[in-house]
Amino acid sequence: SQQGEEDPQALSIQEGENATMNCSYKTSINNLQWYRQNSGRGLVHLILIRSNEREKHSGRLRVTLDTSKKSSSLLITASRAADTASYFCATDNTDKLIFGTGTRLQVFP
Amino acid sequence: DAGVIQSPRHEVTEMGQEVTLRCKPISGHDYLFWYRQTMMRGLELLIYFNNNVPIDDSGMPEDRFSAKMPNASFSTLKIQPSEPRDSAVYFCASSFFFRDEQFFGPGTRLTVL
Repeated sequence: SQQGEEDPQALSIQEGENATMNCSYKTSINNLQWYRQNSGRGLVHLILIRSNEREKHSGRLRVTLDTSKKSSSLLITASRAADTASYFCATDNTDKLIFGTGTRLQVFP
Repeated sequence: DAGVIQSPRHEVTEMGQEVTLRCKPISGHDYLFWYRQTMMRGLELLIYFNNNVPIDDSGMPEDRFSAKMPNASFSTLKIQPSEPRDSAVYFCASSFFFRDEQFFGPGTRLTVL
């Protein structure tokens, strides 16, 4: 069963704009991860945020976590055409990492 | 390190045939995961190993699927007999720790006719 649900399912923006994707989950977690998947490729880990953290940055990425609302957001600032990909959140429950349904991001040059 | 290696990258077979997918994890990683990705069901965990021992195979769809890890550097996922509904992209991933970031291979795109 899906633990994380991303929103929106698809997002189209122009280069230079910011992209925000949201993830909601159902049960308590130890950490939440975000991954990127380019078309025809495997997933690539972007960032991990632990349950006791509220915000984390990595380059142009900013991730927030609100455990009270069971939600997380991924912000990509100053987007580039190369950011075009699907983005997945993954949450760990007691015994496995469960991936969400993903957000397809299209960045137009 | 070359990352997680999977072979073959593409496999086309006919219904009823045996299919074997292969994976070489990153050296030193204790965990190995097999996933299946389809448009309808997204990314599903099939099975994972810790130090070559299968820990959770609850995601394996049915008895036609089996996975082995004879040593720390090699794992196989076998489907026998294959069916058209098994068509999907199968990913292998590995990690140092269970809740750590996972490193994914490029995947095997399986088409069963």
